[in-house]
Amino acid sequence: AQSVTQLGSHVSVSEGALVLLRCNYSSSVPPYLFWYVQYPNQGLQLLLKYTTGATLVKGINGFEAEFKKSETSFHLTKPSAHMSDAAEYFCAVTPSGGYQKVTFGTGTKLQVIP
Amino acid sequence: DAGVTQSPTHLIKTRGQQVTLRCSPKSGHDTVSWYQQALGQGPQFIFQYYEEEERQRGNFPDRFSGHQFPNYSSELNVNALLLGDSALYLCASSGPDREDDEQYFGPGTRLTVT
Repeated sequence: AQSVTQLGSHVSVSEGALVLLRCNYSSSVPPYLFWYVQYPNQGLQLLLKYTTGATLVKGINGFEAEFKKSETSFHLTKPSAHMSDAAEYFCAVTPSGGYQKVTFGTGTKLQVIP
Repeated sequence: DAGVTQSPTHLIKTRGQQVTLRCSPKSGHDTVSWYQQALGQGPQFIFQYYEEEERQRGNFPDRFSGHQFPNYSSELNVNALLLGDSALYLCASSGPDREDDEQYFGPGTRLTVT
């Protein structure tokens, strides 16, 4: 079974400040990990994913995340927040190996203060 | 290349009614998954269809049923609607590449039950 915990349902940062959104996972098998972004009244857009290989993953819009197996974490970061980053972010996990359901966290709403 | 499409965009139904939502997967994809996203929550897995059969199911009652057609498109049916069924329903498709666990999400159908 898999589960995802996102710490902090709301995070506020100033424009230009570091963005850090936390995600911890639980999985009985090696996981694939994802971060999705959702803008108001829209579907989900994939930011980045970790499957195998390099543990530091770079995604779109300047976001990156690092898979840390020992800490069961996959935190999302961005060096400098833009106003356009204001959205809700979901961490998700699926067992590796294809054709598996995705288990999502409860989401973190990011507010960017000008 | 069209991505995942869903119809309708919005829908308003009355308690006790039945509803059908539709999804066309991304070109080349053969697997369709459905998720329910209640307000303020992360998406919850309903079920997944592959080769016109339900392959996996989440913790949803039998009022939720689905179908997949030979062209891989899919329908989600919900009977005896409850107020609690009000949510954004997301469809996601994935392809035959067993090493790629990315699911591509559609924009969703917003269902309101009154």
